[in-house]
Amino acid sequence: NAGVTQTPKFRVLKTGQSMTLLCAQDMNHEYMYWYRQDPGMGLRLIHYSVGEGTTAKGEVPDGYNVSRLKKQNFLLGLESAAPSQTSVYFCASSYLPTTEAFFGQGTRLTVV
Amino acid sequence: GESVGLHLPTLSVQEGDNSIINCAYSNSASDYFIWYKQESGKGPQFIIDIRSNMDKRQGQRVTVLLNKTVKHLSLQIAATQPGDSAVYFCAGLGGSARQLTFGSGTQLTVLP
Repeated sequence: NAGVTQTPKFRVLKTGQSMTLLCAQDMNHEYMYWYRQDPGMGLRLIHYSVGEGTTAKGEVPDGYNVSRLKKQNFLLGLESAAPSQTSVYFCASSYLPTTEAFFGQGTRLTVV
Repeated sequence: GESVGLHLPTLSVQEGDNSIINCAYSNSASDYFIWYKQESGKGPQFIIDIRSNMDKRQGQRVTVLLNKTVKHLSLQIAATQPGDSAVYFCAGLGGSARQLTFGSGTQLTVLP
């Protein structure tokens, strides 16, 4: 019953540092997504993947990179963190775009 | 592209009353909509979805109505309970974009 698991849950970075957020799903879903959530702005899509080995840009991709080397994992990387990337990050997965997306519990990232 | 928004950022209802949360969208080609519930500190959870070939869909204590003429959908919660207090998001999918676009959310507060 794990569903979608995100690690870490919290992180504080200094400006310019790099980090990778890990998302793992055990539902054999093809589609995986990374969103960021900022106060009053809902969820905005950063990058997504339609299958192992594929990635695509979403609405706000700048400053982020992703990789989907294994079907169950979707990694989000920040090469040089900026204060504007302070946010809560959510990973999600779905069988198809037109089916329910399951979300992880989120990663709260603060860049100082 | 798709634009999805919500009419009111906050809504307060008395326990036991019915709640109606509204959402508007801009893309007439949108063909799939989902309502999510997000409790504080958690990821969004699926509530109910509806496809554009339907006007109404019912779940347990929830009903979603879709009016394609005015590009509006609503979520109705019957006999609202304290556990219904959360932020509610509508999300739409349609046209050439095969990723969900989220609205900004409505904070529902249930008063005792």
